[in-house]
Parts: sequence; structure tokens; C-alpha cells
Amino acid sequence: AQSVAQPEDQVNVAEGNPLTVKCTYSVSGNPYLFWYVQYPNRGLQFLLKYITGDNLVKGSYGFEAEFNKSQTSFHLKKPSALVSDSALYFCAVRDINTGGFKTIFGAGTRLFVKA
Amino acid sequence: NAGVTQTPKFQVLKTGQSMTLQCAQDMNHEYMSWYRQDPGMGLRLIHYSVGAGITDQGEVPNGYNVSRSTTEDFPLRLLSAAPSQTSVYFCASSYSTVAGANEQFFGPGTRLTVL
Repeated sequence: AQSVAQPEDQVNVAEGNPLTVKCTYSVSGNPYLFWYVQYPNRGLQFLLKYITGDNLVKGSYGFEAEFNKSQTSFHLKKPSALVSDSALYFCAVRDINTGGFKTIFGAGTRLFVKA
Repeated sequence: NAGVTQTPKFQVLKTGQSMTLQCAQDMNHEYMSWYRQDPGMGLRLIHYSVGAGITDQGEVPNGYNVSRSTTEDFPLRLLSAAPSQTSVYFCASSYSTVAGANEQFFGPGTRLTVL
């Protein structure tokens, strides 16, 4: 079965420091991986995705993620955190075995950036 | 474009009552889906549709019905509400998910409480 794990419920980082939000996945074939962000009382917004090609993916708001097939990971990173980055972050994988119709989400990681 | 819209934003029901959560998109997306978000559990797929007249079950379909008569609209029906259906509901849409490579656009959500 396909699954996504976000091992940290919460990540705390000081403004200006680099941040990492971790994600590992389990799929039977090639994964399509996504990161979404949710601000309070809002819907999810797409940040970036890995489909194929370069393992380092760049997305919105200065975020990037590195696909590591051997470690089955897709960690979200940003070189310098902003207080406005504080939000709930979700990693997701598309289930290719069902034609890509079903997305499986991780439980989410809450990021707190302190000024 | 309004994107994905959902109504109502908030709803309180009594056990056994029925209601319909509305979802509409103006991006001509073929794929639409409904998720529920519960604390610590991420988003779970309820039902999805790959086009008008075509729907299928997701991860947690019990207690919910859907239909897709037009490309734009994808309502979610609760026939007999139960306290376990207290949650935040999100509708999402994307271009055709052939191979699952397309990101989803989310609505603002409906917060439902069942007493």
C-alpha cells in the first residue's frame, strides 16, 4: 500500500535560519510527490512537485525539495526562514497504481518560525 | 477566476439530519475531489470524479454520496449526519490526472459540526 510519513508533528526554527520539513514515502512504482501549505483557516496551496527529472525541485516562496530515491524521501527545505512561513505543511503522493486518481497525504507538520 | 468555491463556510447539524456541501470550480478541470481534514490525520479522500457522470470512492466514502452532472459542480451529500462526520471538508480540482502529475487547487473549506 502507498503511504506517506511526516515524522515531525512540529518544527521550530528561528527567522533567518534554514528549515527542513521531512517526508518519507512508500510506493510500489515511481512516485509523484507534492508539497502543499495550509495557512490558518484556509485551504491548501500547492508549493512544488516532483514528477521526473532533476532531483532538486524548486517551488513557490523560495521553497525547494530534494527527491532521494534510495532513502525514499522528499524533504522540504528553505535556506532562510521567514516568520510568514509559519503554517501547516503537507507532503502527498499520487497513487500511480490507481491511475493517479487518489492522493495520499501525510499527517502534516506544523512549522513555527520565531522572530 | 474565482477558482474553487465552497458553501457554506460553517454548518451545525443535529444527528440524523441531511445536507449538501456545495463545490464549484471555473477552471474547466476534469478532476474534482472531496477530502475531510481531522487533527493529526492529514487529509483523507472521500470521493472523486474524473469527469461529468463519473465518480468513484476514495479512502473514507461511508456516509457520503456524490454526483457530477456538470464539469463545474461536485456536491457532497450527507444523508444522515453522525457526530463522527464532524470535520473540515475540502473540495479540490485539477486538470486531468492521467499519470497523476497535476497539482490540485483547493477550496477554502467547510467546517461541519454534528451534535
